[in-house]
Amino acid sequence: GGIITQTPKFLIGQEGQKLTLKCQQNFNHDTMYWYRQDSGKGLRLIYYSITENDLQKGDLSEGYDASREKKSSFSLTVTSAQKNEMAVFLCASSMDNSGNTLYFGEGSRLIVV
Amino acid sequence: GDSVTQTEGQVTVSESKSLIINCTYSATSIGYPNLFWYVRYPGEGLQLLLKVITAGQKGSSRGFEATYNKEATSFHLQKASVQESDSAVYYCALRSTSGGNYKPTFGKGTSLVVHP
Repeated sequence: GGIITQTPKFLIGQEGQKLTLKCQQNFNHDTMYWYRQDSGKGLRLIYYSITENDLQKGDLSEGYDASREKKSSFSLTVTSAQKNEMAVFLCASSMDNSGNTLYFGEGSRLIVV
Repeated sequence: GDSVTQTEGQVTVSESKSLIINCTYSATSIGYPNLFWYVRYPGEGLQLLLKVITAGQKGSSRGFEATYNKEATSFHLQKASVQESDSAVYYCALRSTSGGNYKPTFGKGTSLVVHP
C-alpha cells in the first residue's frame, strides 16, 4: 500500500497573502490532483499533473498556481488568499491518466483572517 | 463536459432501514466511463467504496451495492439495512476511458445520517 501526505493540515494566512500547500505520495503514481471541497459544492478540480513537470488546468484554476517538480510531490499555491476561499483542499493521485481509482490525502484546511 | 448529479444535501435514515442514494451521469466521450462511489467517514480521508468499469455489472462493498445502468445512465447506491457506522458523506464519480478527457468528475456529495 501507499500513503498520501498533505502538509500542513491547517494553513492560516492573511488576506492577500501567498500560501502554499504541499502533497507527497509514495504510490509511485503518475498522475496527481488538487481538489477544492466546499460544503454543498462537492469536489472541484483545480489542477492536475499527468507526469513530472506537467500541469493541466482544472475547472477552478484561476487564483491558483501548481508545481510538479518531482513525481512524488505536487504543490498548490493560492496566489492571493481571500476570505471566500476558506475550504478544504484535497490532494489525490492515480496510477495513470485513464479511468483508475483516485487515492486521497486527508485534506488541508485553509483559514484566511 | 462530463457531469454527475446525485441526491443532494442530507439523507436521514433509521438504523436497519433501507437506503438509496441516486446518481445519474452524463459523459461526453465515446465509450462507457468507469463509475465510482467514494466515501468520507468522520475524521477520515476520502476513500473508494466501490467501482464498476463494465456497463451492466454490479459492484459491492461493506453491504452497499451499485449497478451500472448504461440505458438510464445511472449508478444508484443501495443498502438493504444501514448501520450507525454508515454515517458519512458519499460521492458518486466518473472517469472517461477514451477521447482524451480523463479528468475525474464528482457529484456534490450526499451526507448520510443514520439514527439509532
